[in-house]
Amino acid sequence: EVQLLESGGGLVQPGGSLRLSCAASGFTFSSYAMNWVRQAPGKGLEWVSAISGSGGSTYYADSVRGRFTSSRDKSKNTMYLQMNSLRAEDTAIYYCAKGVGMYCGGDCYLFDHWGQGTLVTVSS
Amino acid sequence: EIVLTQSPGTLSLSPGERATLSCRASQSFSSSYLAWYQQKPGQAPRLLIYGASSRATGIPDRFSGSGSGTDFTLTISRLEPEDFAVYYCQHYSRSPPTFGGGTKVEIK
Repeated sequence: EVQLLESGGGLVQPGGSLRLSCAASGFTFSSYAMNWVRQAPGKGLEWVSAISGSGGSTYYADSVRGRFTSSRDKSKNTMYLQMNSLRAEDTAIYYCAKGVGMYCGGDCYLFDHWGQGTLVTVSS
Repeated sequence: EIVLTQSPGTLSLSPGERATLSCRASQSFSSSYLAWYQQKPGQAPRLLIYGASSRATGIPDRFSGSGSGTDFTLTISRLEPEDFAVYYCQHYSRSPPTFGGGTKVEIK
C-alpha cells in the first residue's frame, strides 16, 4: 500500500525558512517523480514543485521559483521542500503527491496518491 | 499557462440525482492529459479520472469523464451520500500543471 507522510509544517515569521519532508513507502521510490501541491485555507489546489525519479530534474511554479528547492534522498525514501523567504501568501496545507511517471513530461504531473498534508502558517 | 474554468461553482442536488460538472480550458490540449479529483472536507484530494475518461483504481462506475479539446465533463450518474464533495479538474500535459477552481456538489 502506497503511503505518503508529510512533516515539518508549523508557524514561521515572514522572511523565515522551513523544510518539509515527505516519507514514502509501498512503492519503488526512485521510479517515480514526486510533487508538492498546496492549498491555501478555503481555496483551491496549486501545484508547487516536481522532482524527477532520479532527483536530477526539478520544476517550480513561478510563485515559488528562486525561494523553494525540492530534493529527494533515495536511501531514506524521502522528499524534501526547502522553503526560504516565506511570505504570508505561502500559508497553506502542503501535500506531497506521487506522480505516475519517472520523468517530468505529462505523467509526472498526474497525482495518483497523496499524503494527508502539513500546514504551513506564515505570520508575525 | 493553461487556465481551467469549472462550472457551476456549486451544484445543489439530492441523492440519486445525476451530476454534470464542466471544465473549460483556455487553450486546447490533448485529452490524454485531463484529470478529475474529489476532495472531502479535511481530506487530501483523490484521483477519480485520468486521460479525460479512464477511471482510477477503485473508482465506482457511476463516475464517468468525457470531452476533448477545451471542453471536458465529469458525470456522476446517481449521487450517493459519499459523493457530496468538491471536484477539481486538472491538466497535466506540461509544466505548470494547473487546476480548475473547483465545483462543490452539495446536498439539496
